[in-house]
Amino acid sequence: DAKTTQPNSMESNEEEPVHLPCNHSTISGTDYIHWYRQLPSQGPEYVIHGLTSNVNNRMASLAIAEDRKSSTLILHRATLRDAAVYYCIRGSNYQLIWGAGTKLIIKP
Amino acid sequence: KAGVTQTPRYLIKTRGQQVTLSCSPISGHRSVSWYQQTPGQGLQFLFEYFSETQRNKGNFPGRFSGRQFSNSRSEMNVSTLELGDSALYLCASSLEGKSNQPQHFGDGTRLSIL
Repeated sequence: DAKTTQPNSMESNEEEPVHLPCNHSTISGTDYIHWYRQLPSQGPEYVIHGLTSNVNNRMASLAIAEDRKSSTLILHRATLRDAAVYYCIRGSNYQLIWGAGTKLIIKP
Repeated sequence: KAGVTQTPRYLIKTRGQQVTLSCSPISGHRSVSWYQQTPGQGLQFLFEYFSETQRNKGNFPGRFSGRQFSNSRSEMNVSTLELGDSALYLCASSLEGKSNQPQHFGDGTRLSIL
């Protein structure tokens, strides 16, 4: 199963928007795109998921490319508490297929 | 609403021993998944259970096994432990395990093999 690819790390300033990219060029038509984040010494936390159209919730927005080969997680106004490893994931056949994640660093 | 509970939080074993880890899902969730997290391999899927049946299994040797009880609680067992089994083992629950449903994770069991 092909995994997603993400930048190893990204930096952003506090209170500015953050755009986290993800490539999933081999995703199948029925796979959902999920984003989770993980803080040190904690289990992953669900952020958002979608299939084809863009999605919004109280935590973030998910923009999915029309061809579904890539997506972008958008944090509208990053805070220090958003510093974590963000994972872009394929949801398929009763399992989540994880990439290596992007470590997001927030500068005050 | 209580979250996913994993016990124990930390465990130290020696090579050749076996270990059983426990997971209590969120009330009402019938699907339980297990993942292994290591610095080198990241998060890898072990298996998923729904209504006491294993529906999917990752690429792990037969030493890794699991089961689910009628109350949806789940256990995983690792026999003949090897040094490479040292990892954080994570359990996640969801309503039905469908790919469009969020999974809720516990904080994991940290297993160290000496």
